[in-house]
Amino acid sequence: DIQLTQSPSFLSASVRDRVTITCRASQGISSYLAWYQQKPGKAPKLLIYAASTLQSGVPSRFSGSGSGTEFTLTISSLQPEDFATYYCQHLNSYPFTFGPGTKVDIK
Amino acid sequence: EVQLVESGGGLVQPGGSLRLSCAASGFTFSSYWMSWVRQAPGKGLEWVANIKQDGSEKYYVDSVKGRFTISRDNAKNSLYLQMNSLRAEDTAVYYCARVNVAGNFDYWGQGTLVTVSS
Repeated sequence: DIQLTQSPSFLSASVRDRVTITCRASQGISSYLAWYQQKPGKAPKLLIYAASTLQSGVPSRFSGSGSGTEFTLTISSLQPEDFATYYCQHLNSYPFTFGPGTKVDIK
Repeated sequence: EVQLVESGGGLVQPGGSLRLSCAASGFTFSSYWMSWVRQAPGKGLEWVANIKQDGSEKYYVDSVKGRFTISRDNAKNSLYLQMNSLRAEDTAVYYCARVNVAGNFDYWGQGTLVTVSS
């Protein structure tokens, strides 16, 4: 099975900061990677798919990059509504595992 | 508007069974793969199972194989998860999700809580 790690696990940042989260896969997954945002008590929301494609309706301050085993999610200018937990997920082969998550908190 | 509404969660004793349902609306249900994802209290997301449009292909995470069965009724626009031999570690919020053509989970329900405890 393909394992995903995320770094950092926790990130403290201020509004308008540039934030980068990294997701690493235990083996190559091409571009079969998605990013989700989850707020407390809510369902996850798809932000990015195919490593770098922005889901419809998602603000352009979110971007994704990478392929193979290393991927990044970048928020160019953090907004108050972006404080949440972010998960990566691979879709290369079953099981479609998620990363452990990165919590973005207010500094 | 795409809507997914889960139901059927609750408190069940270890070794018991529960059947979750997910009612879909706002899209052509029979055209999409569907999925179940769970989240234990205070923990991360765990993919549980996927089912193809016609139910002919099903995939499960190892920890539920042989105990859980995913199914669907396209005439009723509904997705199901039959959970047998439940364990304490199955305690979680269970979400149903639509799998889009790119294979990503683009719409999610609000979740239903399953608690396995004596």
